[in-house]
Amino acid sequence: GQQVMQIPQYQHVQEGEDFTTYCNSSTTLSNIQWYKQRPGGHPVFLIQLVKSGEVKKQKRLTFQFGEAKKNSSLHITATQTTDVGTYFCAGPRYSTLTFGKGTMLLVSP
Amino acid sequence: DTAVSQTPKYLVTQMGNDKSIKCEQNLGHDTMYWYKQDSKKFLKIMFSYNNKELIINETVPNRFSPKSPDKAHLNLHINSLELGDSAVYFCASSRETTASYEQYFGPGTRLTVT
Repeated sequence: GQQVMQIPQYQHVQEGEDFTTYCNSSTTLSNIQWYKQRPGGHPVFLIQLVKSGEVKKQKRLTFQFGEAKKNSSLHITATQTTDVGTYFCAGPRYSTLTFGKGTMLLVSP
Repeated sequence: DTAVSQTPKYLVTQMGNDKSIKCEQNLGHDTMYWYKQDSKKFLKIMFSYNNKELIINETVPNRFSPKSPDKAHLNLHINSLELGDSAVYFCASSRETTASYEQYFGPGTRLTVT
């Protein structure tokens, strides 16, 4: 079945450094969604990308959808301790979503 | 107001017991889901219901039985609990059944089977 692969699994940065997580699919995706889960919390929707080559920004977060709609990335500029958590990408699978395994981000002050 | 709520938040029980988790959403959504998140944070879909009807039933042991009395509620009953059932169970909802709508997750139920 369709899967979305996400790398890295884990990243530890110093506050102020940038961070990027990547999501790849073997098949073309109609859309891709990104979620953030804080430690001890639940996944929270961040954004959905639909168009080929789409780039969307939310403050220090930049989301990209590849031209072939098979990959996506989330880049955080100048991380802050509030960015700590696990970031998931999710692609459509039948009538629901299949989630990547997530990238856990740790930020040291 | 909480959009998606689950009870209980924590559940500690012994192997072989039967337990239920309840979920309610007040968003007016048609579709609800149950996910299992293991210790490695992997989020796996278990069931999906659309307007009280079962849409998706992933490869889940039949000890797990979901019930949707109405479109705002989706409960999960688990029989004969096993150690491997220990996980966080998330309920979620979305406006419709297609994967084009974002999902709203409940706070989760941490199940520990001893």
